[in-house]
Amino acid sequence: DTAVSQTPKYLVTQMGNDKSIKCEQNLGHDTMYWYKQDSKKFLKIMFSYNNKELIINETVPNRFSPKSPDKAHLNLHINSLELGDSAVYFCASSQVASGNTGELFFGEGSRLTVL
Amino acid sequence: GQSLEQPSEVTAVEGAIVQINCTYQTSGFYGLSWYQQHDGGAPTFLSYNALDGLEETGRFSSFLSRSDSYGYLLLQELQMKDSASYFCAFLGVDSSYKLIFGSGTRLLVRP
Repeated sequence: DTAVSQTPKYLVTQMGNDKSIKCEQNLGHDTMYWYKQDSKKFLKIMFSYNNKELIINETVPNRFSPKSPDKAHLNLHINSLELGDSAVYFCASSQVASGNTGELFFGEGSRLTVL
Repeated sequence: GQSLEQPSEVTAVEGAIVQINCTYQTSGFYGLSWYQQHDGGAPTFLSYNALDGLEETGRFSSFLSRSDSYGYLLLQELQMKDSASYFCAFLGVDSSYKLIFGSGTRLLVRP
């Protein structure tokens, strides 16, 4: 049973297109996140949600719109894709806002390539 | 600001011991976490240190010194499968809903 699953695993698309990535967790966690990992492997938080409410928006362009229909799901929609959006996007979840341990459970990532 | 610094790359021989250092800067601090990420894979949680000292989990140990704003991950009896990137991380001082990662250390284990 996959704990945090995201789809699709790969997206290849043209500049200017719109794309979505879906994420689901079956761990019963309250908090979910989107992270972006660039080509240098730097992991940067984009958004975090707690019980469907947006808590963190880390100065992400408004072309990126997360949506959490319930606390088990967090989707990411990206409008007007740009070359610089090419990256691996990771969904993650945790119990009680990373709790006291900073333990996040990551999905396998969605590799977005913008041509 | 808040930041973490790690060496970009470390190479070691199978069976050896390797230490990956992490220095951090932040105005508020809860503890230091460590993650492992294999190429093409997801980051996975390894350990967490809230207090000074060494925490041991099997072949991996993690150390923290709050006074020095410094920690390290120690990997013993290195195996080829330990070749991966290792990240230190801490919770943001402005929000515990934000885990901030260092730039990662790529460990290459040679036979």
